[in-house]
Amino acid sequence: KQEVTQIPAALSVPEGENLVLNCSFTDSAIYNLQWFRQDPGKGLTSLLLIQSSQREQTSGRLNASLDKSSGRSTLYIAASQPGDSATYLCAVSPMYSSASKIIFGSGTRLSIRP
Amino acid sequence: DVKVTQSSRYLVKRTGEKVFLECVQDMDHENMFWYRQDPGLGLRLIYFSYDVKMKEKGDIPEGYSVSREKKERFSLILESASTNQTSMYLCASSLPSVGDPSTDTQYFGPGTRLTVL
Repeated sequence: KQEVTQIPAALSVPEGENLVLNCSFTDSAIYNLQWFRQDPGKGLTSLLLIQSSQREQTSGRLNASLDKSSGRSTLYIAASQPGDSATYLCAVSPMYSSASKIIFGSGTRLSIRP
Repeated sequence: DVKVTQSSRYLVKRTGEKVFLECVQDMDHENMFWYRQDPGLGLRLIYFSYDVKMKEKGDIPEGYSVSREKKERFSLILESASTNQTSMYLCASSLPSVGDPSTDTQYFGPGTRLTVL
C-alpha cells in the first residue's frame, strides 16, 4: 500500500532564507507527484506537478525534484517571504488505481518569520 | 478556471443529526471526491464518483454515504453525525484519465469545517 511521509511536520525560518521540504513515498509505481499549498482553513492549490518521466519542475521561486528510484521528492523555496507561510502537502498518483486517485502526505506547516 | 464550491464554510451540528454537505463543480468533470482532513493524518478519501449515479468507497467510508444525481453535484451524507466526525471536509473534482494519466490533477473546493457537538 502506498504511503507518503513528510518530515518535518512543522518548520519555522527567518524571511529571506532558502529552504527545502521533504517528501518520501513507498511505492515507485506512480503517474506523477504533486506539491499543494493549503492556507489555514482553506482548500488546496496545486503548485507543481512532476510527471513520472520528469526529474524536476520549476515555477518562480519554487523548484520540485523527483527521484522515483529512491522514493523521494523535495520542494525548494528560494528567498522565502512571509506570504509563503502555509501548509505544503505532497501527493502521489499511484498506478493501478482508479479514477485519478491521489495519496497525500500529512503536510509540513511552514512559518516564515519577518 | 475550474471552480469547485462547497455549500458551507462552517457547520455546527448535534450528535445524531443527519448532515448534508454539498459540492458543485462547473467544469464538466467526470470524477468527484470527498476527503476529510485531520491534524497529523493528512487527507483521507471517503468516497469518490466517476460518473452520475456511480460511486466507490475510499479508505474511510464508514458512517458516510454519497449521492451523485447530476454530473456537477456530489453530496456527502452523514446519516447520524457523531463527535468523531468533527473534521474539515474537502471536495475535489478531476477529468478522467484519457491517454496520459501523468498530467492528471484534482481541483479542490474551499472546505467545510464541521463540528459535531
